[in-house]
Amino acid sequence: DAKTTQPPSMDCAEGRAANLPCNHSTISGNEYVYWYRQIHSQGPQYIIHGLKNNETNEMASLIITEDRKSSTLILPHATLRDTAVYYCIVRVGNQFYFGTGTSLTVIP
Amino acid sequence: DTEVTQTPKHLVMGMTNKKSLKCEQHMGHRAMYWYKQKAKKPPELMFVYSYEKLSINESVPSRFSPECPNSSLLNLHLHALQPEDSALYLCASSQGWNEQFFGPGTRLTVL
Repeated sequence: DAKTTQPPSMDCAEGRAANLPCNHSTISGNEYVYWYRQIHSQGPQYIIHGLKNNETNEMASLIITEDRKSSTLILPHATLRDTAVYYCIVRVGNQFYFGTGTSLTVIP
Repeated sequence: DTEVTQTPKHLVMGMTNKKSLKCEQHMGHRAMYWYKQKAKKPPELMFVYSYEKLSINESVPSRFSPECPNSSLLNLHLHALQPEDSALYLCASSQGWNEQFFGPGTRLTVL
């Protein structure tokens, strides 16, 4: 059962904000949303996570809708090194349920 | 030390071989995980160890045998694999239910 859905691919111009959407309409009240990225078959790298409130760190911002049915990962100034597959994940207990991922290509 | 290490990086084995994948972390994490990732697919959970005890087995075939000898080490023993088992095998660890730290993976090819 897929707990998240993501667009398969997106492009973004270098220096612009990249906004990656994720739907998680069946999420329960105590389940967190996590975002990871994976560059060229390396191990996935943690980006950010949240429950209800919007979150920001040095890498990205996470905007979660009030009904928690969707979220958006924002990379404020995309660089070529941000080209990767981005996974939206719902955490249930200590299990991660990965979405199918969005392949983001940052274009010079 | 904030990394998870995995050895070997690449492994080629025949269907009658026995081999092991190794994973190590020194972050004091008490939960460790094995994932399998096929090309262009997301990682799929195989096993979860919590405090050195197997807590989740996602119906993985018995030709994959996990072992957690201590809180820092996680092994995956492989025997009589099939070509369709070729994949990237990822190890991860976490402190409780917090974010998981992933290793770089072992690229396995079964001939």
